[in-house]
Amino acid sequence: QVQLVQSGAEVKKPGASVKVSCKASGYMFISYYMHWVRQAPGQGLEWMGIINPSGGSTTYAQKFQGRVTMTRDTSTSTVYMELSSLRSEDTAVYFCARGTLVPSMEGSFDSWGQGTLVTVSS
Amino acid sequence: SYVLTQPPSVSMAPGKTARITCGGNILGSKSVHWYQQKPGQAPVVVIDYDSDRPSGIPERFSGSKSGNTATLTISRVEAGDEADYYCQVWDSSSDHHVFGGGTKLTVL
Repeated sequence: QVQLVQSGAEVKKPGASVKVSCKASGYMFISYYMHWVRQAPGQGLEWMGIINPSGGSTTYAQKFQGRVTMTRDTSTSTVYMELSSLRSEDTAVYFCARGTLVPSMEGSFDSWGQGTLVTVSS
Repeated sequence: SYVLTQPPSVSMAPGKTARITCGGNILGSKSVHWYQQKPGQAPVVVIDYDSDRPSGIPERFSGSKSGNTATLTISRVEAGDEADYYCQVWDSSSDHHVFGGGTKLTVL
């Protein structure tokens, strides 16, 4: 079965960077897009961006342009999301979520990681 | 940027039918997906492509769309349906995915 396992919780100081990993198993890694979605405490879901694990191409939400980098390692079926210049407002749970079969973009996010809490505090 | 609008909350008694709406510009031309999220858990897709129910989702959950409004309908509401519900689309003009603000369903 499809499984997405994320790295553990992080505590960072303002201005630092954080890198969250998401290891996929149970399907052909390079065939499906992977998304990153975050959720601040008590708030809704916010889409951050998408990576095509096959070629590594990315699209980022405008809000995170310049601060987020999504990469992948096909040898370990792992995607990474790095967010830089952290501020307190970045305190949130960060989820990876499997998207659709490449190249279709219109489908749902059918499997989700367990979430990684990133706390930004001085 | 593209915006999806949901009511912040909906309340319904057990056994009744709950309807959660999602509005957006030219929504009729987009595929709408619905997620259920319970406290402390990751979201789960309950309806995709406007009205398709993924395997394992009870038949009580259904989706529809009319004009610029999509609706998630939960029939015979149960206490276990109490959760936050989000709609989501892909906006082809920006190549971005968008979530609605979420609706908290309270079962009275």
